[in-house]
Amino acid sequence: AQRVTQPEKLLSVFKGAPVELKCNYSYSGSPELFWYVQYSRQRLQLLLRHISRESIKGFTADLNKGETSFHLKKPFAQEEDSAMYYCALRRADSGGYNKLIFGAGTRLAVHP
Amino acid sequence: DVKVTQSSRYLVKRTGEKVFLECVQDMDHENMFWYRQDPGLGLRLIYFSYDVKMKEKGDIPEGYSVSREKKERFSLILESASTNQTSMYLCASRPERLRYEQYFGPGTRLTVT
Repeated sequence: AQRVTQPEKLLSVFKGAPVELKCNYSYSGSPELFWYVQYSRQRLQLLLRHISRESIKGFTADLNKGETSFHLKKPFAQEEDSAMYYCALRRADSGGYNKLIFGAGTRLAVHP
Repeated sequence: DVKVTQSSRYLVKRTGEKVFLECVQDMDHENMFWYRQDPGLGLRLIYFSYDVKMKEKGDIPEGYSVSREKKERFSLILESASTNQTSMYLCASRPERLRYEQYFGPGTRLTVT
């Protein structure tokens, strides 16, 4: 079964501390994974894609196929990073249309 | 700048009422989606539409229907609202079926009493 697991509902850290938001997936094909973020009173938006291997707002995420993980990391958390983070997995249906499977989300709280 | 708008930010309805949630996008996107967002469950796909008048069930379509008569508008319909449909509803659109980024609306928080 295709599934995305985010084991932590809440991650609470102090400003300047490293952050790692965990994401594990289950998928039989070649996975494509994403991180979406929702800041307070803002709409959900794409943060980064594994395929682009980029760093956005200091965040990076590496796809580890052996561990079926796509953890989101940042070396030094900032207060403005406080938000809800969702890991998502692309899946193709029988008609060839791409959809996303989302994890349950992790709320990151960065304290001063 | 992509704009996805939803007709209401907050909505309170009574059990058994017929409820319409409207979503409009202004970027000529072919694909549109309706999700519900619940704490601890994340986003779950209710329905999606890959073109005008075309629709497919998502993971949790029971109790919902949709309508897409025009490309820019995708409506979610609760035929007879129930309390377990109290949730945040998010609409999203995407330019074509091979693109992965979805653009989300601000959400409609529906309370069914």
